[in-house]
Amino acid sequence: DVKVTQSSRYLVKRTGEKVFLECVQDMDHENMFWYRQDPGLGLRLIYFSYDVKMKEKGDIPEGYSVSREKKERFSLILESASTNQTSMYLCASSLAIGTRDYEQYFGPGTRLTVT
Amino acid sequence: AQKVTQAQTEISVVEKEDVTLDCVYETRDTTYYLFWYKQPPSGELVFLIRRNSFDEQNEISGRYSWNFQKSTSSFNFTITASQVVDSAVYFCALSEEEGAQKLVFGQGTRLTINP
Repeated sequence: DVKVTQSSRYLVKRTGEKVFLECVQDMDHENMFWYRQDPGLGLRLIYFSYDVKMKEKGDIPEGYSVSREKKERFSLILESASTNQTSMYLCASSLAIGTRDYEQYFGPGTRLTVT
Repeated sequence: AQKVTQAQTEISVVEKEDVTLDCVYETRDTTYYLFWYKQPPSGELVFLIRRNSFDEQNEISGRYSWNFQKSTSSFNFTITASQVVDSAVYFCALSEEEGAQKLVFGQGTRLTINP
């Protein structure tokens, strides 16, 4: 079974803090993704990575950065957290293009509150 | 631009009733992929089905069935004889890229099955 784990289920940070959200997958997937989930808006893609050290902006990258130094790990960084970044953050991974089973597998999410 | 609309924000039914979750999509591509995911209270999205735009056959998996109609740009999901364990948030998603590199999600429908 594919397993995607996220470092924290719940996180509370103060405005202006630097925040790291960590995601690890154990199935050697090439692609990894970060989404945020807000009521009424569904899931929106922040960043994704299709290889180590590679990244591409999603639909809402402002205020976020990412890091992928190892294939299994994808980090989301909030350089200076703001209250409008209070949200549920979901990590996902998938196999590369050209494979048959390329659905995304999701982690349990991190509920971040910025006060 | 691609867009997915799930007009039903919340649905509540009594156990054993049939329920249909609507999904309408917009895309300019002739090749695209449609997905349904389930998000139970634990938070982790669970993949249910993937359909490509060239396969309009309806699919049935146990109590679940999906109706894909390109003429109305819809990909609706029906649960027959609903059970309390079906209570969750359900998301419809669209990808215009092979490999589901970038998914666009609908707003989600919260389904509550009452005993």
